[in-house]
Amino acid sequence: DTAVSQTPKYLVTQMGNDKSIKCEQNLGHDTMYWYKQDSKKFLKIMFSYNNKELIINETVPNRFSPKSPDKAHLNLHINSLELGDSAVYFCASSQGGGLNEKLFFGSGTQLSVL
Amino acid sequence: AQKITQTQPGMFVQEKEAVTLDCTYDTSDPSYGLFWYKQPSSGEMIFLIYQGSYDQQNATEGRYSLNFQKARKSANLVISASQLGDSAMYFCAMRGFAWAAGNKLTFGGGTRVLVKP
Repeated sequence: DTAVSQTPKYLVTQMGNDKSIKCEQNLGHDTMYWYKQDSKKFLKIMFSYNNKELIINETVPNRFSPKSPDKAHLNLHINSLELGDSAVYFCASSQGGGLNEKLFFGSGTQLSVL
Repeated sequence: AQKITQTQPGMFVQEKEAVTLDCTYDTSDPSYGLFWYKQPSSGEMIFLIYQGSYDQQNATEGRYSLNFQKARKSANLVISASQLGDSAMYFCAMRGFAWAAGNKLTFGGGTRVLVKP
């Protein structure tokens, strides 16, 4: 069983469209994250939820809206997609936010906006 | 604010040799944790090793060891006996004890390693 699974793996869409990426973890973790990896491989946190509560909201355009229906799921909805949104989006989870809590990552969603 | 710097964008290493990947960090947090992740060409992020700022000994995990020098704010990863499968991007990351920041994991820019046969 995959620990952190996200779908779809690839997403190709036109500018202006709205799209969603889904993430589920079966590790029993209570904290989930969305990271964005740009074309230069730089990883930057976007959001973090702890037990369905938003705890990190980095400077991200309002077009990005996370939703956590329960602590095992964290979805990312993106409105009015722009060319600059093209990137790999990673979902991750950890058991809390302790110093030694490593993140378990999903396999990533490659988003290409045309 | 936390900052992680990896100054080596890319490097070659001969198979079976050791390689050291540099990582320096900057933080005002009194306690923090340092991580290394590997990202092969397939794209997944794989946890390698962890070092706590108050750990007395340098962390080791199989062929991976972390050369932690707190005064110099460096946490270099050493991979011994390199294998072809070690070819990947390697990321240094830090989590500080700052609840206001949500204890996020901040990543460096990565180092690409290519192991030559």
